[in-house]
Parts: sequence; structure tokens; C-alpha cells
Amino acid sequence: DIQMTQSPSSLSASVGDRVTITCRASQGISNSLAWYHQKPGKAPKLLLYTASRLESGVPSRFSGSFSGTDFTLTISSLQPEDFATYYCQQYYRAPWTFGQGTKVEFK
Amino acid sequence: QVQLQESGPGLVKPSETLSLTCSVSGGSISSYYWSWIRQPPGKGMEWIGHINYSGSTNYNPSLKSRVTISVDTSKNQFSLRLSSVTAADAAVYYCARYRLTTWFFDLWGRGTLVTVSS
Repeated sequence: DIQMTQSPSSLSASVGDRVTITCRASQGISNSLAWYHQKPGKAPKLLLYTASRLESGVPSRFSGSFSGTDFTLTISSLQPEDFATYYCQQYYRAPWTFGQGTKVEFK
Repeated sequence: QVQLQESGPGLVKPSETLSLTCSVSGGSISSYYWSWIRQPPGKGMEWIGHINYSGSTNYNPSLKSRVTISVDTSKNQFSLRLSSVTAADAAVYYCARYRLTTWFFDLWGRGTLVTVSS
């Protein structure tokens, strides 16, 4: 299975901060990576796919990039509604696998 | 808009079979692939398997011997059965839909917590 190592596991930030979350794949996955976020008690929500394509309706402060097997999710200016847990998922090769999650908390 | 809702017993005894159903509302189950994913408390998400409207399935090899996913197009539902459960199967179980022709999830249910205990 392809292992997805996500970091950090948690971070504290303030409204307006720039936030970066990283996901590293254990082998090459091309650009077959999606990012989700989830608030407590809610369904996970798709943010980006194909590493950098923004899902319809997702604010442009979210962006994604990658280099080799390292993938990055950036929130350019954190908003109150962005405090959540973020997950990456590779869909290059089954079984699809997820990162462990990054909890973004209020500082 | 399309919504997914998981349902089923929240408590299952060890060695018994876990059974959950995902109801699709606001749209047809046809033309899409549908999946089950789980997340044990404090752990990461694990893809369990998927099915399409015609019944074609694919399972995670780690669970394949115990998993059955089925679809009922007349009820717009698909279901999960996991046999011989242990405490390690306790988790929040999610149903989700794949974006057409891809393998990422563009729609999720809120999840349902399943506890394994006698």
C-alpha cells in the first residue's frame, strides 16, 4: 500500500495567518491527490483534487501544489470557518490511502 | 442536492456481522461508484471498498475476506457487511461517492459510529 505521511498532526493559528500542511507519499503518485477538511460532526468536504485543482465553490484562499512525492495545501489567510481537520488522499493506486490528518486549531 | 445518510446498529457484538446501509437522496445511485470508508477513534481513515450501480465491487485487500458491499438500485441504497468483527473494527463508518471517472470522493455522509462490545 502507498503510505501517506501528513504533517504536522496539529497546528495553532490565528485568523489571517498563512497555513501550510504537507503530505508525503511513500512512492510516486503523479498528481493523484485530493485534500479534504472536516468539522466535528460533519461530513468531510472535498477541497482540491489532482493536487491543485480547486473544487467548485471552495474559496480561492485554498491552494495546492506538489513536487515529486511532496504535496502541500496552503490556506493564504485563515478564516474562522477554516478551523477543522484536514486530510489528504492518494488515488493513484488502490487501496486508496489517507494521511493521518492535521487539526487546525485556534491559537 | 444529493445527500448520503448512513444507518445501522451502533453496537455490534464481537464475532458477529456489522451491517450498515447508505441511503442516497436527491439523486440517482446509477452512473456512479459508491464507497465505504472508516475511521477508528484517534486513527486515520481506511478505505474499505466500493461498488457501482451494476454491482461491480473492489475491496481493500486488508478486509477483503470479511467484507461484502451490495447495492439496491430500487431503494437507492448500498450496504456494507463486515463479518467476524473484533474491537479493532470499532470506528466511524462513512459512505461516500466518487467523482465520475475518478477515484476521489466528492460527496460524503456524516458517518455513523459503530462500537464493538459484548
